[in-house]
Amino acid sequence: GEDVEQSLFLSVREGDSSVINCTYTDSSSTYLYWYKQEPGAGLQLLTYIFSNMDMKQDQRLTVLLNKKDKHLSLRIADTQTGDSAIYFCAEKGGGGNKLTFGTGTQLKVEL
Amino acid sequence: DAGVIQSPRHEVTEMGQEVTLRCKPISGHDYLFWYRQTMMRGLELLIYFNNNVPIDDSGMPEDRFSAKMPNASFSTLKIQPSEPRDSAVYFCASSWWKGNHNEQFFGPGTRLTVL
Repeated sequence: GEDVEQSLFLSVREGDSSVINCTYTDSSSTYLYWYKQEPGAGLQLLTYIFSNMDMKQDQRLTVLLNKKDKHLSLRIADTQTGDSAIYFCAEKGGGGNKLTFGTGTQLKVEL
Repeated sequence: DAGVIQSPRHEVTEMGQEVTLRCKPISGHDYLFWYRQTMMRGLELLIYFNNNVPIDDSGMPEDRFSAKMPNASFSTLKIQPSEPRDSAVYFCASSWWKGNHNEQFFGPGTRLTVL
């Protein structure tokens, strides 16, 4: 079945850029997503990218997609303490309407 | 809109008891998803419905788990009998079909502890 992998932890200093990486195996992925989960809450959609794009920018967020290598990244510019959370990568395959989520990356922002 | 509503927010029960988790999706959404989140296994899709019909239940762990969606505004996930390994946070999410794009809106989750 489909698999989505992420590193478990990332620690950055406030004001620096954060880069969270994700790899996936489904070559028929149509959309790829980044969700954010704050403590004690559900997941919230941050941004998404269609598989025929290689970059998408939305304010402090930049998504890069390398479809050949099946690699997705999320860059957060000027990282703030409020960005501390778990970030999930997810992919939607060509059939059906379900998402396959990665393991999540815990981002810790230090002062 | 109030978003996806789940109840209860916390549930503590003893092994062997029946547990029922409830979800009210966002009005107008035609897809409903049940997930389970644990430290060991991450976020797992258990089952999802489209227009109240179960489409994929391949993630349901075993016969002790069952889910229903009697109408467009309500779904339940039942565990009978419950076991300590069922302890997890259970999320409900809903979405609607927007062409090929699928933004899922998550509820706050139900934290289940089985003693």
